[in-house]
Amino acid sequence: NAGVMQNPRHLVRRRGQEARLRCSPMKGHSHVYWYRQLPEEGLKFMVYLQKENIIDESGMPKERFSAEFPKEGPSILRIQQVVRGDSAAYFCASSRPGPASNEQFFGPGTRLTVL
Amino acid sequence: KQEVTQIPAALSVPEGENLVLNCSFTDSAIYNLQWFRQDPGKGLTSLLLIQSSQREQTSGRLNASLDKSSGRSTLYIAASQPGDSATYLCAVRPDNDMRFGAGTRLTVKP
Repeated sequence: NAGVMQNPRHLVRRRGQEARLRCSPMKGHSHVYWYRQLPEEGLKFMVYLQKENIIDESGMPKERFSAEFPKEGPSILRIQQVVRGDSAAYFCASSRPGPASNEQFFGPGTRLTVL
Repeated sequence: KQEVTQIPAALSVPEGENLVLNCSFTDSAIYNLQWFRQDPGKGLTSLLLIQSSQREQTSGRLNASLDKSSGRSTLYIAASQPGDSATYLCAVRPDNDMRFGAGTRLTVKP
């Protein structure tokens, strides 16, 4: 059973470009979470999605950021018109459907560098 | 608002020493608490998960305790090794998300 997969592992963008980060949850997991780790800081929650639904986006910046988790395919975190401050490691986690006590399993992360 | 604090921020010990990392959180209403290890430039490795109804979990040389009422958790590492050098993160789950501390950067010197 493969773990949570994220791609690309490293992504370089110039200011103003778009960044698309993908996350494939573990088999049997229908809940996906995105976190951001800025340099020298802890991980911060961004958004929680279930299939075709955004459940909690309280940690998502109001502009330029969006997330989706379609019925088929991976979850996508999209950052439009990237700026240098978006440079960070973006981690995806997944969990089984069920209570909030279910463990979240983390992917290896995508490291975004904005030039 | 749930805040997670880890003390110390950095720790350097000689090989073979037993050590304790501390984590505190401000709101005892959590579903679980988890300790992770993160190597530089890498992802998170889950070490131990303690559900809110549990008091401790053990795995090999690691033992984690949870005292919800006081908002504290400790990670005990026995007989430390240079390979244990990493940043250790504590996270609690109050709701949909997990709240992370800033981590303790551990260096074990040979």
